[in-house]
Amino acid sequence: EPEVTQTPSHQVTQMGQEVILRCVPISNHLYFYWYRQILGQKVEFLVSFYNNEISEKSEIFDDQFSVERPDGSNFTLKIRSTKLEDSAMYFCASKRGRVEGEQYFGPGTRLTVT
Amino acid sequence: AQTVTQSQPEMSVQEAETVTLSCTYDTSESDYYLFWYKQPPSRQMILVIRQEAYKQQNATENRFSVNFQKAAKSFSLKISDSQLGDAAMYFCAYRRDFGNEKLTFGTGTRLTIIP
Repeated sequence: EPEVTQTPSHQVTQMGQEVILRCVPISNHLYFYWYRQILGQKVEFLVSFYNNEISEKSEIFDDQFSVERPDGSNFTLKIRSTKLEDSAMYFCASKRGRVEGEQYFGPGTRLTVT
Repeated sequence: AQTVTQSQPEMSVQEAETVTLSCTYDTSESDYYLFWYKQPPSRQMILVIRQEAYKQQNATENRFSVNFQKAAKSFSLKISDSQLGDAAMYFCAYRRDFGNEKLTFGTGTRLTIIP
């Protein structure tokens, strides 16, 4: 069964460094999302992406964040200058089409900023 | 803005018994989807069940079923014959029926299964 994959599973970085989190959505999916979950808290929406552009972004998704689909398979989230409060689990999700209801989640990347 | 509320931070149930997790939501939309996701200790988000708002029939998936009360904006999850593998955080989520709308999650309920 196709699944969303994410790499790395865990990344440790120093405050101020840039990180890129990578996702490979399910191959025939057209809608892509990033969510984050700070430890012990609920899952929060960051950004949605369709047709090579951002559809919607939350207040969390400020100028330090960017997303890209550099080729036909990868979907990346970049944090330019990480802060301690960026430490969280980051989930990528994808959805097949406009009518399709479910978003399928990847296993997540745990980001630790020290 | 849509909100999702899970009023039970923790629940426990004896193995093989039935447990119901509560969820309420607030929306002015008439067309939307509701979901229950399971998050085991691995922190993977696993879809358990979904409900389309236009469907009156409650969704079921094996031991999992929902009680969807649209007028009351309530969406509870019933787990029958609870198993040790059901132990996890359960998140209720809402999505408008519009294109690539985001999911809005509740704060979750931690379910413990007592052997």
